[in-house]
Amino acid sequence: AQTVTQSQPEMSVQEAETVTLSCTYDTSENNYYLFWYKQPPSRQMILVIRQEAYKQQNATENRFSVNFQKAAKSFSLKISDSQLGDTAMYFCAFMKRHDYKLSFGAGTTVTVRA
Amino acid sequence: DAMVIQNPRYQVTQFGKPVTLSCSQTLNHNVMYWYQQKSSQAPKLLFHYYDKDFNNEADTPDNFQSRRPNTSFCFLDIRSPGLGDAAMYLCATSSDGQGRSQETQYFGPGTRLLVL
Repeated sequence: AQTVTQSQPEMSVQEAETVTLSCTYDTSENNYYLFWYKQPPSRQMILVIRQEAYKQQNATENRFSVNFQKAAKSFSLKISDSQLGDTAMYFCAFMKRHDYKLSFGAGTTVTVRA
Repeated sequence: DAMVIQNPRYQVTQFGKPVTLSCSQTLNHNVMYWYQQKSSQAPKLLFHYYDKDFNNEADTPDNFQSRRPNTSFCFLDIRSPGLGDAAMYLCATSSDGQGRSQETQYFGPGTRLLVL
């Protein structure tokens, strides 16, 4: 089984500032996907960003970007220009290609302060 | 908009009384999943369907069953709910198709189950 570690249970950030969430994973696989999901207090899990392991270029979606370090097995998420609507729990997840099983980290609760 | 729909959003049942949760999708995805999520925890996979093939997780209790009558619908049956089964149940879908969303799971809003 793959292990995904999110070492920050909670983070707080001022509106308009930047916050970085850490995620590390343990795998012997070479072909896999990494994801960040956001789950606001309303509880619907929403995909934030997706990274394919074979792609060296870091994925970006508007204010969300990742720093994917394959050798270090690290996949951090940067939220720029934080907004109140970014307040949520963020889950890092790993999936081996064609395995159909997500391994989730424990989650990081992000609170954006006005 | 294509989406994953779960009904009902809130379900109250009595201890030991069978309950069924439903999930439908308009994404035409071939894989469907059921997760259990307890407060402030990561979702836990119960089982998934790859097309019609059912795949049960080894630690999923026998009390949980699932049916997928067609591509669009999937049901979660809890035969005899216990107090420990109170949780949010999330349905998700994914596709083998090519493109940016390949093998990415998309979640429904969830059904919160309360067992009295």
